[in-house]
Amino acid sequence: QVQLVESGGGVVQPGRSLRLSCAASGFTFSKSAMHWVRQAPGKGLEWVAVISDDGSNKYHADSVKGRFTISRENSGNTLYLQMNSLRLEDTAIYYCAREGIMGVHDPLDIWGQGTMVTVSS
Amino acid sequence: SYELTQPLSVAVALGQTAKIPCGGSNIESKNVHWYQQKAGQAPVLVISRNDNRPSGIPERFSGSNSGNTATLTISRAQDGDEAAYYCQVWDSSAAWVFGGGTKLTVL
Repeated sequence: QVQLVESGGGVVQPGRSLRLSCAASGFTFSKSAMHWVRQAPGKGLEWVAVISDDGSNKYHADSVKGRFTISRENSGNTLYLQMNSLRLEDTAIYYCAREGIMGVHDPLDIWGQGTMVTVSS
Repeated sequence: SYELTQPLSVAVALGQTAKIPCGGSNIESKNVHWYQQKAGQAPVLVISRNDNRPSGIPERFSGSNSGNTATLTISRAQDGDEAAYYCQVWDSSAAWVFGGGTKLTVL
């Protein structure tokens, strides 16, 4: 069964750090580029970061550049998002998603159920 | 940076056809993907690369892309189609870009 399961969300104070995890199963994780996408309460989807299948290439949205870092551990089929210097505006549901494997810049064809991050003092 | 524009809401009568536009500069040169997100759920891919339906998506869902507008069309709309719909492209200056989303209401 193809599945992505996020964990690590919670309530954190501004300026603190949090690490999210995403456990993958049911597909060859090491052959898939992976993304993080977030959604603030009542708002739309916002792309956060992407990492290539082997982890050699990473790109982050301008809104999180320098504060968030995407990484992966292929041996354990796990994706991570290290979030530092958290701000109130980072409050959102964070989804991990798999990029399709048909070609370049494929759509996100598998999504997790998301983990909620609340930044509050 | 590249921007995608969607109307906040679209309403359609039960059994009729809904069209959800997604505007972007010369969007026809890009591959547009569409996602459906029902309340409290994760997004689901419903159209890939402008007009391709993933396995399991009903034939009632179709897509087109021309000029500065891509369009998601839902034929014979059902109550279960009520959801937010997001278009998405990849752009060399902005990476992965989502539209603001359109809430579809079935009357």
